[in-house]
Amino acid sequence: DSGVTQTPKHLITATGQRVTLRCSPRSGDLSVYWYQQSLDQGLQFLIQYYNGEERAKGNILERFSAQQFPDLHSELNLSSLELGDSALYFCASSQRGTTNEKLFFGSGTQLSVL
Amino acid sequence: GESVGLHLPTLSVQEGDNSIINCAYSNSASDYFIWYKQESGKGPQFIIDIRSNMDKRQGQRVTVLLNKTVKHLSLQIAATQPGDSAVYFCAELKNSNSGYALNFGKGTSLLVTP
Repeated sequence: DSGVTQTPKHLITATGQRVTLRCSPRSGDLSVYWYQQSLDQGLQFLIQYYNGEERAKGNILERFSAQQFPDLHSELNLSSLELGDSALYFCASSQRGTTNEKLFFGSGTQLSVL
Repeated sequence: GESVGLHLPTLSVQEGDNSIINCAYSNSASDYFIWYKQESGKGPQFIIDIRSNMDKRQGQRVTVLLNKTVKHLSLQIAATQPGDSAVYFCAELKNSNSGYALNFGKGTSLLVTP
């Protein structure tokens, strides 16, 4: 168990809908990362937060947004969902959110858009 | 473009043999690399990391080798066990749109046969 908690584990929804994925980092970790994993693209970095502030951004779609709250948990919001958004979404956390720091991953949320 | 890639998508080894998983990277400025293991239904799990000022680093039954001349990274697993069956990812620290993020390769599936 990595100590990173993600909910829900599975999510099934329809195209055009909006969903929220939740992540609680390991105790003491200040930084949260979101990754998308699909069969054809592998693990793609979406966005990173550190202590409530956005720190780094990957190829995150404009339809996607995230935030980190004062209690350090994070939410990833996906809107106007398309079939291609079906994927595993992972949250990871690290202590300081600096470079050269290992990330600890949660078990992921499997999103299926029908 | 800059990318992290894996030479072999699948690798099958017999229990007790040594496994070698390879990874090529193209960004000569990358200075931090990590190997992750992902078992079915779980998130990536940290195995070992290495900085660019090192050529070799050893952990428990695992060794990572870094050849900066040819931009090649390998993970060696000694006395492979059935529990080692998983997908293995190499990741490099990469400068994203804003800040740094771990960039993952597509993964190699390791299958350990009795």
